[in-house]
Formats: sequence, structure tokens, C-alpha cells
Amino acid sequence: DVKVTQSSRYLVKRTGEKVFLECVQDMDHENMFWYRQDPGLGLRLIYFSYDVKMKEKGDIPEGYSVSREKKERFSLILESASTNQTSMYLCASSSPPGQGSSYNEQFFGPGTRLTVL
Amino acid sequence: LAKTTQPISMDSYEGQEVNITCSHNNIATNDYITWYQQFPSQGPRFIIQGYKTKVTNEVASLFIPADRKSSTLSLPRVSLSDTAVYYCLASSSGGYQKVTFGTGTKLQVIP
Repeated sequence: DVKVTQSSRYLVKRTGEKVFLECVQDMDHENMFWYRQDPGLGLRLIYFSYDVKMKEKGDIPEGYSVSREKKERFSLILESASTNQTSMYLCASSSPPGQGSSYNEQFFGPGTRLTVL
Repeated sequence: LAKTTQPISMDSYEGQEVNITCSHNNIATNDYITWYQQFPSQGPRFIIQGYKTKVTNEVASLFIPADRKSSTLSLPRVSLSDTAVYYCLASSSGGYQKVTFGTGTKLQVIP
């Protein structure tokens, strides 16, 4: 069964701390994504990666960075956490077109609810 | 990048058929229409995808007219467990492109 896991369901950090959110997928997918979800704003793409060591900015990359050293793992880094980064963070992965039954179908993890105090 | 527009919210009674329409006037030739469902405190999950005409699976049906400028997700005989947010988006078949989930449609099923 397809699986995307995230390191924590709930996380509380203080302003200015460096925060790492980890995501692991076991489907050998090339593409991985980080979103944040806030009430009334839907899902917004922060960064995505289409290969190891490759990354592309999404719609709201400011204040975030990412790392993809291995195919199965995609990390989101908050260099200096701020209160406006309090949110639900969702990781997803997908296979390239032509693989699997649907085009760019994304598989999501359960999410990490981050609170920055 | 094709922008999609859908209602913010809908209410329905249990047992009724629900149709959620999505507008995508600028859809590209190689885009498929994809719908996701999200329950509270969970990530979205794929429910159906189509290019033209009608697609049906065990969860829903998807109707896409010939001009492809809109699509309709149909949920037959909804139950309370169908209460969720439903997202319509365009997914490229021609190599990965960024997709936009937007705010989705919040469906509330009433007993």
C-alpha cells in the first residue's frame, strides 16, 4: 500500500528556532512536494522536487528551504521560525506521467501541525 | 497554469446526489481534470480523474463536456461520511507542472 509518512503530527517551536520537517515515501516516486494549509487559503505549494538534489520554488517559498539528498526523503526547513509560519504542513509525492493509473496523482502524508510561539 | 473556480461551500441532505461544478476556462490541451477529497485533519486523497465525457468509479462520477471548460463531480447518495472539502484541479499529462489546489468546496452533509 502506498505510504507517505511525516516525522511528527504535532510540533511546537519557539520563534527563531530552526525547524526540520521530514517526509518519507516508499513508492519510489520522483516528485515530492511541500504544502501549507491555512483556514480560508486552501493548500499552497511551498517547494517541490522532481529528482534527487533538484528543487523548484512553489507559490510561497519565502522563509523556507528544502533538502532532497535521497529519493525517498524530502525535508522542509524553517531557518528561523516565525509565528506566521504556524500552520498545517502537508507533504506529497507523485510519479511522472505514464506511470501508475493517473496523471500526476499526488499521495499525501497525514500532515504536521506546527505551532510557533 | 489552468485556474479552476468552484463554489466555496455546499450543503446536502443524506441520501441525495450531490453535483459540484468546477470552471476551468483556460484548460490546456494536455491537462486532465482531477478531483481530490480531504477530510478534517488528513491530507487530500485522489478520487477521480478524466479528460473528456464521463468517468465513473466506485466513489464518484466525473462529467466533462466537449469544450472542457467545466466539469462536474457527482457523488451519488451522499452520507455523513462524505462531509469533506473537494478540490478540482488540472493535472498535466505532458510532464510535471505545478498544480494549484485552491480553496476547494466544503461539502456539509446534513442528517
